[in-house]
Amino acid sequence: SAVISQKPSRDICQRGTSLTIQCQVDSQVTMMFWYRQQPGQSLTLIATANQGSEATYESGFVIDKFPISRPNLTFSTLTVSNMSPEDSSIYLCSVARTATYEQYFGPGTRLTVT
Amino acid sequence: KQEVTQIPAALSVPEGENLVLNCSFTDSAIYNLQWFRQDPGKGLTSLLLIQSSQREQTSGRLNASLDKSSGRSTLYIAASQPGDSATYLCAATGNQFYFGTGTSLTVIP
Repeated sequence: SAVISQKPSRDICQRGTSLTIQCQVDSQVTMMFWYRQQPGQSLTLIATANQGSEATYESGFVIDKFPISRPNLTFSTLTVSNMSPEDSSIYLCSVARTATYEQYFGPGTRLTVT
Repeated sequence: KQEVTQIPAALSVPEGENLVLNCSFTDSAIYNLQWFRQDPGKGLTSLLLIQSSQREQTSGRLNASLDKSSGRSTLYIAASQPGDSATYLCAATGNQFYFGTGTSLTVIP
């Protein structure tokens, strides 16, 4: 398994500001993902952040809005830029083992934009 | 594109009952099928992973089965407890991870 921590656990931000979410893993992993979960909805993949390459964004998500860093095999950040109330969601990072593709998730960051 | 469906969307059962949660997927070319539990406002906890070559996996009171040919997986929970109350999500792994919309389970004491 993998133990994943996220910071902050929650935040309330004003419209137009930016928030950077950190994701720390207790072991080295290649595959890391960022998801968004809006209230009452399932998970939506924002981007794949594999170490050593640029993040790959899913349709509807762009780098200017959600810049991602992946400086090493245990750490990543997701920034939510120029926030609006529609960005209010839980943001989750996850990792997957290369051998089995089993996914493990962090505890999430609950973001409220006012 | 892979579509993953979970039925029912919500389920309420009395404590002690055995229950089955269903997960259907449209593309049988999957690498694995994973079941998760999510408590309100929290992240996902992995429950069981079934590789494509496997038929089922068991952990404690949980048993998950996989039938690729029919595009179905089930999660069986034996002797349900109030602490089992949560949302249960399945995810099919192909060229990416495809999540179902979840089943919200309430176990009534």
